[in-house]
Amino acid sequence: KAGVTQTPRYLIKTRGQQVTLSCSPISGHRSVSWYQQTPGQGLQFLFEYFSETQRNKGNFPGRFSGRQFSNSRSEMNVSTLELGDSALYLCASSLTTGGAGNTGELFFGEGSRLTVL
Amino acid sequence: AQKVTQAQTEISVVEKEDVTLDCVYETRDTTYYLFWYKQPPSGELVFLIRRNSFDEQNEISGRYSWNFQKSTSSFNFTITASQVVDSAVYFCALRDPGYALNFGKGTSLLVTP
Repeated sequence: KAGVTQTPRYLIKTRGQQVTLSCSPISGHRSVSWYQQTPGQGLQFLFEYFSETQRNKGNFPGRFSGRQFSNSRSEMNVSTLELGDSALYLCASSLTTGGAGNTGELFFGEGSRLTVL
Repeated sequence: AQKVTQAQTEISVVEKEDVTLDCVYETRDTTYYLFWYKQPPSGELVFLIRRNSFDEQNEISGRYSWNFQKSTSSFNFTITASQVVDSAVYFCALRDPGYALNFGKGTSLLVTP
């Protein structure tokens, strides 16, 4: 079956602009999580959406936001971009969110590499 | 607070050598889940294994094996007879109560012919 699809794969923005990244989870998966990967901070959790509701959020400023649609596709938005937002943004999907029966296994996409100039 | 430490930043081995990647974790939870993921150059993280805190049985899967020891808070990963295709960055992770993954900094493994 098709894996997690992230678009765009690469993009370049300038400081102050905003960006929207898209993630299509594996068919049937209802949970979508977002992670930021940078050389300095490593992999950091941004947020998780399940059934169109944000159920968990990492320690990131309000400039980072997201949403999930009824078909489980998710978007994340970063406003007023800063140089430090340059990163690989990884989306991961899972069948369900935490709780009974959830193995916790996440299926990751190849990421969207954002460069802020 | 939870923390995952992968002290080895980079490891370089020659093909067919065995290699062990170390992972040490910190948590106050009595029930927790540990993971290993592999990140090839393409970027996506590939799930390798999950281990529950109440199951200390070591596991072997082909050339991969994992040694989980609660007494030392370690969850080490060994690749036997390494191959060039094993070259990647390997991440150890601990799932927090909110189900987010706390990743270590990763160990970059280079296997040369």
